[in-house]
Amino acid sequence: EIVMTQSPGTLSVSPGERATLSCRASQSVSSNLAWYQQKRGQAPRLLIYDASTRATGIPARFSGSGSGTEFTLTISSLQSEDFAVYYCQQYNNWPPLTFGGGAKVQIK
Amino acid sequence: EVQLVESGGVVVQPGGSLRLSCAASGFSFDDYAIHWVRQAPGKGLEWVSLISRDGESTYYADSVKGRFTISRDNSKNSLYLQMNSLRTEDTAFYYCAKDPGRYTGSYFDYWGQGTLVTVSS
Repeated sequence: EIVMTQSPGTLSVSPGERATLSCRASQSVSSNLAWYQQKRGQAPRLLIYDASTRATGIPARFSGSGSGTEFTLTISSLQSEDFAVYYCQQYNNWPPLTFGGGAKVQIK
Repeated sequence: EVQLVESGGVVVQPGGSLRLSCAASGFSFDDYAIHWVRQAPGKGLEWVSLISRDGESTYYADSVKGRFTISRDNSKNSLYLQMNSLRTEDTAFYYCAKDPGRYTGSYFDYWGQGTLVTVSS
């Protein structure tokens, strides 16, 4: 089973600032990585797939990068609606499909 | 508009059984694989199961293998999860989630709002 590790667990950022979230895989997942956003009381929403492709309707301030075992989600200028929990997920080796433990982006 | 609507979540005793349903609309249901993903209250996401577009292939997390059964009825645009021998650790929100592919697992491009299953005596 591929273990996904996200860091930091919590990130405190001011609106308008850049947020950078990391995700590390226990072995290479190539570019088979997705990012999701989950707001309180809501279902997750797909942001990024194939490590760097934005999903339909996702604003350009969200970008993904990386391959192999190291990945990054960057939010270039945080808006109020971006404060949420973010999860990475690998789909290179499965079953099982595995998620990171989540990273909370909160207002500083 | 793609919609996935789960139902069937209730409070059930340990050792009990439950069947969840997911009604799909807004896309060609029989063209896509569909998953169940769960989330214990206040915790992270855990993939549970996948079924291929034609229902011929199914996959499970080790934590539910032998206890849960995924199925689908393409004539009704519906997905199901039969849950037997329930444990307290199965308490979670259960989401159905669409895969962009047909037969194998990848990511989840659309999610339902979830249904809460509580296993408690």
